[in-house]
Amino acid sequence: TQLLEQSPQFLSIQEGENLTVYCNSSSVFSSLQWYRQEPGEGPVLLVTVVTGGEVKKLKRLTFQFGDARKDSSLHITAAQPGDTGLYLCAGEGPDKLIFGTGTRLQVFP
Amino acid sequence: ETGVTQTPRHLVMGMTNKKSLKCEQHLGHNAMYWYKQSAKKPLELMFVYSLEERVENNSVPSRFSPECPNSSHLFLHLHTLQPEDSALYLCASSQEGQGLSPLHFGNGTRLTVT
Repeated sequence: TQLLEQSPQFLSIQEGENLTVYCNSSSVFSSLQWYRQEPGEGPVLLVTVVTGGEVKKLKRLTFQFGDARKDSSLHITAAQPGDTGLYLCAGEGPDKLIFGTGTRLQVFP
Repeated sequence: ETGVTQTPRHLVMGMTNKKSLKCEQHLGHNAMYWYKQSAKKPLELMFVYSLEERVENNSVPSRFSPECPNSSHLFLHLHTLQPEDSALYLCASSQEGQGLSPLHFGNGTRLTVT
């Protein structure tokens, strides 16, 4: 069974701080997606990474896919209260997406 | 209206009730999904419909019954649920046949079984 573990599970920080969220597995994935779910809403896709070692940037968010395509990280620079939400990674399995356990981020003003 | 719309947003039902969740997508996608989101658990895939045919069941209890009358609408019929079925039920759609396409989620139905 393919599993994706995310860490930390919870993160509470002040506005302006930097943070990194990790998504790890013992399985290789063809690609990996990151979603953000804000309170009361469904998850929204942020990015898809496909190539081992790939780095993608989305404003203050930097996503990296591990060289072996088993792990990924999300780094947020100068976090804002609007970054608050549940961050989910999802790996492309043989026939479906495998979702991670999630990281719940709270950014205080 | 655009995107994926789910109704109702909140639902409280007793264990002997019968209710239905509705999902409608306005994105022209050809695949629709039901996911269950519980606290401290990863998103659980319940059902997948591709081109209006069910392609995955994932051993979901029979008290959950999906229906997909066309590519834009998806229902989840509920009967004799248990308290542990209380969760956020998310509908999603995607365009199959283009590699791994992203999922577009609705805002979910928060279900409480009493």
